[in-house]
Amino acid sequence: ETGVTQSPTHLIKTRGQQVTLRCSSQSGHNTVSWYQQALGQGPQFIFQYYREEENGRGNFPPRFSGLQFPNYSSELNVNALELDDSALYLCASSLAGSTGELFFGEGSRLTVL
Amino acid sequence: GESVGLHLPTLSVQEGDNSIINCAYSNSASDYFIWYKQESGKGPQFIIDIRSNMDKRQGQRVTVLLNKTVKHLSLQIAATQPGDSAVYFCAETIGANSKLTFGKGITLSVRP
Repeated sequence: ETGVTQSPTHLIKTRGQQVTLRCSSQSGHNTVSWYQQALGQGPQFIFQYYREEENGRGNFPPRFSGLQFPNYSSELNVNALELDDSALYLCASSLAGSTGELFFGEGSRLTVL
Repeated sequence: GESVGLHLPTLSVQEGDNSIINCAYSNSASDYFIWYKQESGKGPQFIIDIRSNMDKRQGQRVTVLLNKTVKHLSLQIAATQPGDSAVYFCAETIGANSKLTFGKGITLSVRP
């Protein structure tokens, strides 16, 4: 158990809808990163949040956005869902300035129909 | 573009044998490498890491080797157990931050 919790675990949406995924980081961790993992692929970096601000972004369009709250928990929002957004969304927490070891949650499985 | 890749998609080994999982990386600027294990239905789990100023690092039953000359990373698992069955990913980054670049993964299957 990593102490990183994500919700919901599974959800189904239709094209054009919006979705919000939530993550609670491990106690003491102040940095949250989000990754998208398509079936049979490795995770791809979406963005990272530190001190409630985006601190690094991967190759994802602006309809992927996020928030980090004072308690370090985080949300991932995706607008105008597309079929290709179907994936496992992973949240990982870490401590800024640490060696880079990330603690992943078990993910939110999003299916877009 | 830069990428991290694995040579083989699947690896089947006999229980008790040693396993070797290989990975090639192409970003010469990467200076920190990590191996993750992902079991079905779970998130990736950290196994071991290595910095670019090292060529070998050992953990409990696992060893990571780094060859910067040919940009190659390997994970060795001693006395492979059924619980080692999972998908293994190598990942790289620059400056030990959270923006990891993962390879596609290799499935390790342990035969009893």
